[in-house]
Amino acid sequence: GAVVSQHPSRVICKSGTSVKIECRSLDFQATTMFWYRQFPKQSLMLMATSNEGSKATYEQGVEKDKFLINHASLTLSTLTVTSAHPEDSSFYICSATRTKGEKLFFGSGTQLSVL
Amino acid sequence: GDSVTQMEGPVTLSEEAFLTINCTYTATGYPSLFWYVQYPGEGLQLLLKATKADDKGSNKGFEATYRKETTSFHLEKGSVQVSDSAVYFCALSDLGGNQFYFGTGTSLTVIP
Repeated sequence: GAVVSQHPSRVICKSGTSVKIECRSLDFQATTMFWYRQFPKQSLMLMATSNEGSKATYEQGVEKDKFLINHASLTLSTLTVTSAHPEDSSFYICSATRTKGEKLFFGSGTQLSVL
Repeated sequence: GDSVTQMEGPVTLSEEAFLTINCTYTATGYPSLFWYVQYPGEGLQLLLKATKADDKGSNKGFEATYRKETTSFHLEKGSVQVSDSAVYFCALSDLGGNQFYFGTGTSLTVIP
């Protein structure tokens, strides 16, 4: 099956710094990628949908300037958490799909801890 | 490590048929279990969840029971509709809530 690689799997950073998370589709071109966030012991929350070459569509309540999403190519989307704070500590996971309507493939997730 | 295995599919059913999508898991401790649904062209939506053994999650006519003895969380619906056509993902969240593991997804098509 299709493979989505997410990196890093775990990151610890100081408050006020920025962290970039990469999501790559290794063997297919992903026209759409989704970014999710999970708070401890809760289900996933969709943060944004990104289509290659266009601006991401953010869900209500998600700060665009805080969570920068770039989908510059058909195989790479990045999520940058800017000026991270302890409340941004969470598990972030991406998913990708070849074309609209096709099945999602998931990255392995990134555990972010902000000190 | 923790993992989720679900039937591959695709599954094609006639309207009003009974649906079962099997999901089994491997985990240390007592994880939370979820079913997510991806409707055509959309992202994931939480369908139902169960956080402890013998719990039954239910939503929109779908049900799944957390079976510790068989490490299963099979999704069922008594009478499917065309609008249920989607991809269904079984998922597990570890005890600490720090990691999610997804099954590969099962595509369901319901024909009139």
